[in-house]
Amino acid sequence: QVQLVESGGGVVQPGGSLRLSCAASGFTFTTYGMHWVRQAPGKGLEWVAFIRNDGSNKYYADSVKGRFTISRDNSEHTLSLQMNSLRTEDTAVYYCAKHRGSTWTLDYWGQGTLVTVSS
Amino acid sequence: QSALTQPASVSGSPGQSITISCTGTSSDVGGYNYVSWYQQHPGKAPKLMIYDVSNRPSGVSNRFSGSKSGNTASLTISGLQAEDEGDYYCSSYTSRSTYVFGTGTKVTVL
Repeated sequence: QVQLVESGGGVVQPGGSLRLSCAASGFTFTTYGMHWVRQAPGKGLEWVAFIRNDGSNKYYADSVKGRFTISRDNSEHTLSLQMNSLRTEDTAVYYCAKHRGSTWTLDYWGQGTLVTVSS
Repeated sequence: QSALTQPASVSGSPGQSITISCTGTSSDVGGYNYVSWYQQHPGKAPKLMIYDVSNRPSGVSNRFSGSKSGNTASLTISGLQAEDEGDYYCSSYTSRSTYVFGTGTKVTVL
């Protein structure tokens, strides 16, 4: 079955950097695009970024554009999110999610990893 | 990109039907049939309930149904059950090739 396992969360100071990873299994990773979505404590879901199956195109929310970079390693079945110039408002649980394919929806989600930006 | 607008809360008694609205613009909800709905229980990851406006993934109860009219999409839960309590989020593809979620609706079973 599809499994998505995030890692890399933790506490970081404002202005710092952090790299999140998502290990994928149970499906043909090279066939599907992947997303990052975040949820601040007690708040709603916020889409962060999307990368196509071959890494050819990447899309970002305005709130993270220029600071975050989504990437993937198809040989390792791993999705990554490099987060630079972190702000307190980036504090959230970060989920990776699988793109369904022929349509725009996120059909499987990981359990999330918590990123806390605080001095 | 502004979040899609949902009511903050909706409630109903067991067995009743409830409907959650999701209002966007012609650049997202109104422009594409790529509206999805997600259910989230406290401390858990979201779960896909509806995609492409009205399609249910395998394993999702047929008590959940979706529709769209203009810039507003709707999720209806019929035969409300205690396990349906939780937060519900709509989402849509946008004209900027991005994705946007709704503000979220807390469903309470009375």
